[in-house]
This record gives sequence, C-alpha cells and structure tokens, in this order.
Amino acid sequence: GDSVTQMEGPVTLSEEAFLTINCTYTATGYPSLFWYVQYPGEGLQLLLKATKADDKGSNKGFEATYRKETTSFHLEKGSVQVSDSAVYFCALSDRNKLSFGAGTTVTVRA
Amino acid sequence: DTAVSQTPKYLVTQMGNDKSIKCEQNLGHDTMYWYKQDSKKFLKIMFSYNNKELIINETVPNRFSPKSPDKAHLNLHINSLELGDSAVYFCASSQEVRARRGETQYFGPGTRLLVL
Repeated sequence: GDSVTQMEGPVTLSEEAFLTINCTYTATGYPSLFWYVQYPGEGLQLLLKATKADDKGSNKGFEATYRKETTSFHLEKGSVQVSDSAVYFCALSDRNKLSFGAGTTVTVRA
Repeated sequence: DTAVSQTPKYLVTQMGNDKSIKCEQNLGHDTMYWYKQDSKKFLKIMFSYNNKELIINETVPNRFSPKSPDKAHLNLHINSLELGDSAVYFCASSQEVRARRGETQYFGPGTRLLVL
C-alpha cells in the first residue's frame, strides 16, 4: 500500500537557520504530495502541495519539489522564524485518501 | 465564518459511555473525512463520505459509526468507549473532482477525547 516516511524529530534550530525535513514515499499510482503544518493546539493546515513530477510547491518561504526518480518531496526553508515552530506532516494522496508520515516536530529558538 | 468546525473541542468521559462528535463544513465540499491522531501525533484516516455515501472505511472497530445527514455534516458516534480511544479526532473536507487529482483537504480544529 501507499506509505510516507519522513525524518524523525524533534528538530531544534536557531532563528534564521536553514531547515530541511526529508520525506520519501511509496505508491503504486501517481499520487499528489503535500506538506501540512500543525501549530500547537490547532488543526492541520495545508502548507504546500505538488500534483505531478517536477512540480515545485511553495508557500511562506517553504519549498518542496516532487522528485519521481527519488520518490521524494523534501521540505526546505532558508531562514526559519520562531513562528515556524510546529509539527510538519508529509502526506500523499491517491483518489483523495491522504496517507501521512509520522510528523516532525520543529522548534525554533530566538 | 469557520470553514470546518467541530464540537465539542474537549470531551472527557468514562469507559463504557457512548459519545458523539459533530462536524460541519461551510465550504460546499462534496467529501468529508474523519481522522484519528494518537498521542505520538500519528494521523490515520478512519472514514470518508462523498455526498452522504461511505467511500472509505478503514479498519476501525464497529463501535465507531459515522453518520452523514447531509453533505455539509459528518458526525462520529462512538459506543462503549475504551481507554485506547483517547486521541484527537479531526474532521476534514475536500471537493472531490474525479478528473482532477490532489484536492486539498481542509481540517477542523480537532476534538480532544480523553477516556478515563
């Protein structure tokens, strides 16, 4: 079945540091790929997505590129802020059924 | 003007009780979902409804029964609650367009269920 593996946390960074969270997937079809973010005490929000190979999703300074050859969708941000502290989930969707990775907790210190 | 809302936000109850969680979306979406998030933050889909029809039913105990009175509502009823049911339950919705892939799912704020 479809599955997502993402880098385990927790990850602790200083403000303005570079963030990367690795995500790889296994799928039988041609899934769409997502990054969702969950701020403390809240529900999930879509951060960015890509629906086909070589697409790049971007939002709020975050980027991820759909790499079919390496089955990856790594999340990056060049300069993190304290407000980026959250849990980040990589997910894939096949026919609207979302399969999530285990989540990576990111803490950014001032 | 909340897009996906859930009630209650917190639910503390005794083992063996029956409880319901309500979900409503005002986005005009066709498809609604229930997810369970465990204490380690792992998220797993439980059910999905499209236009009041059940389309995804993962391996969930039959003590859990979703009910969709109309396409804007998807409620979750849980019978004979057990300690292991303690989790955060998220409702979500999306617009299902069969010719299009990758529709975004919009999540509610979650219901934190604690079974004592």
